[in-house]
Amino acid sequence: DAGVTQSPTHLIKTRGQQVTLRCSPISGHKSVSWYQQVLGQGPQFIFQYYEKEERGRGNFPDRFSARQFPNYSSELNVNALLLGDSALYLCASSRTGEETYEQYFGPGTRLTVT
Amino acid sequence: GESVGLHLPTLSVQEGDNSIINCAYSNSASDYFIWYKQESGKGPQFIIDIRSNMDKRQGQRVTVLLNKTVKHLSLQIAATQPGDSAVYFCAENPRKAAGNKLTFGGGTRVLVKP
Repeated sequence: DAGVTQSPTHLIKTRGQQVTLRCSPISGHKSVSWYQQVLGQGPQFIFQYYEKEERGRGNFPDRFSARQFPNYSSELNVNALLLGDSALYLCASSRTGEETYEQYFGPGTRLTVT
Repeated sequence: GESVGLHLPTLSVQEGDNSIINCAYSNSASDYFIWYKQESGKGPQFIIDIRSNMDKRQGQRVTVLLNKTVKHLSLQIAATQPGDSAVYFCAENPRKAAGNKLTFGGGTRVLVKP
């Protein structure tokens, strides 16, 4: 079985631009979470979606938004990019939203904002 | 705010020796803890988890210990191998109401010397 997949692998944007990152969960998993990992730090929770509904949101500005599709894939959108948004964006999937805690991460999308 | 932290940023260990990675957490309401391994350029890889109703859990070459009295978590790796070189993160699920949001610590880099 394929693991969590993310696209693109790398992305370079300039300040003020908008970006969309994509994630496909493990087959059978219905929950997707997004994390931001700045170099040298642990991942920081951004969003969780389960059955196409937002289940949790971290301390990120409204420039960050996400959605989940009927096939459980997800997109993360970031508007008005800032230099500080440069990071590895990780997607994690789990079987359900709460009862099964194991989360499996994808390889991430490396976003560089110049 | 509540956070998960680590005592040692870097751990050097001789190949074949045992490794111990420590983690302190501050949220006494957390009921689930996970250790992840992250190799360069990859997403975090699930190693082992433990629930708050347990104080020890063993996997293949790894053991996680949970001391709720002092809010301390540790990961023991037996017979450390070169492939164990990576950054290790502990993570906690703060509370069930937050869905499956994970709070990560800052990470410990393990360097295995041949």
